[in-house]
Amino acid sequence: GAGVSQTPSNKVTEKGKYVELRCDPISGHTALYWYRQSLGQGPEFLIYFQGTGAADDSGLPNDRFFAVRPEGSVSTLKIQRTERGDSAVYLCASSLMLQETQYFGPGTRLLVL
Amino acid sequence: ELKVEQNPLFLSMQEGKNYTIYCNYSTTSDRLYWYRQDPGKSLESLFVLLSNGAVKQEGRLMASLDTKARLSTLHITAAVHDLSATYFCAVVPYSGTYKYIFGTGTRLKVLA
Repeated sequence: GAGVSQTPSNKVTEKGKYVELRCDPISGHTALYWYRQSLGQGPEFLIYFQGTGAADDSGLPNDRFFAVRPEGSVSTLKIQRTERGDSAVYLCASSLMLQETQYFGPGTRLLVL
Repeated sequence: ELKVEQNPLFLSMQEGKNYTIYCNYSTTSDRLYWYRQDPGKSLESLFVLLSNGAVKQEGRLMASLDTKARLSTLHITAAVHDLSATYFCAVVPYSGTYKYIFGTGTRLKVLA
């Protein structure tokens, strides 16, 4: 079956612009995670959803970052007033249930100029 | 604040040799995960360890968890070039949430 997909694969934007990153999890997976990975670092937790609700958003760096999962499937990570420091690879992962194997998407590489 | 430390950060080894990667964490947890990441690619789940003393093996890789020592090991037996990648451990602390905290990674290079 299809794995986790993320769009776009690459996004170049200018400082101050708004961006949306999309994640399509594996069908039937209830848990969905967003991470940010900088070069040479491990993934940094941002937020996770159990169903439609954000169960823990403590990793979001500030209020410019927001994520939704309105129907318990697709999720969108939204970044307002982008800054150069937001440049990173944004990874999405899903799992059938919490504590089970996470399946990662290919990531969206965001570059803020 | 939970810290997850891996060592070594970089490992270069010859084919056929054995080695161990260590993952130490600073808080109570019995949920630890190992992942592999190839250059420019996303992460692939290797092992899920959910109890003290858990041991999992797949091919040349074996992972174990000692929750009392707050330590997990990833042992490589008779390394082959295809194992070259970056390996991450991740811990989910006891805190009522399923927030994964990743280590900094161990970059493994197996020389032919």
